[in-house]
Amino acid sequence: GNSVTQMEGPVTLSEEAFLTINCTYTATGYPSLFWYVQYPGEGLQLLLKATKADDKGSNKGFEATYRKETTSFHLEKGSVQVSDSAVYFCALSDSSSSGSARQLTFGSGTQLTVLP
Amino acid sequence: NAGVTQTPKFRVLKTGQSMTLLCAQDMNHEYMYWYRQDPGMGLRLIHYSVGEGTTAKGEVPDGYNVSRLNKREFSLRLESAAPSQTSVYFCASSLSGRDYNEQFFGPGTRLTVL
Repeated sequence: GNSVTQMEGPVTLSEEAFLTINCTYTATGYPSLFWYVQYPGEGLQLLLKATKADDKGSNKGFEATYRKETTSFHLEKGSVQVSDSAVYFCALSDSSSSGSARQLTFGSGTQLTVLP
Repeated sequence: NAGVTQTPKFRVLKTGQSMTLLCAQDMNHEYMYWYRQDPGMGLRLIHYSVGEGTTAKGEVPDGYNVSRLNKREFSLRLESAAPSQTSVYFCASSLSGRDYNEQFFGPGTRLTVL
């Protein structure tokens, strides 16, 4: 079956530090990959996505590259801000799954706290 | 646009009680989903709907019933709540089930079953 493994948290960084959150996956087909962000007290929001190998998703200074050879989709940001404090979820949608709805499989989430 | 809304925001139940969570979206989306979020486990799909009048089981459907009331509304019902159903419940919707269609999430309902 499909699975997503994320770097365990919590992660605490100082403002302007470099961020990496590791994500690896197992899938039976050719998945699309996503990073979602959950700010305190809110629902999840799509941060970025990549739909095929070597694609790079980017948004708000965050980037992630779909690496098929290492089955990874690591999230990076060059300089984090206090406002980036949130929980980050890696997820996949497997295009080989049957039926008309592509179910999302989520990682366990990584709590990021950025200190001023 | 309100996006995806959920009611209630918080609820405490006793074991054996029933309740219905309601989700509504104003984006004219066909697909709607119910997830539960538990510490250290990410989100898991309970049930989903691919259109008005349809429902289908997700990864963890046992103990839950759903109803797609109309295109806008999707309800989740716990007939006899158990402590194992203590969780945060999220509703989501998407234009279709294709990979490139983003799922939009509501703010969640925090449910505690004593």
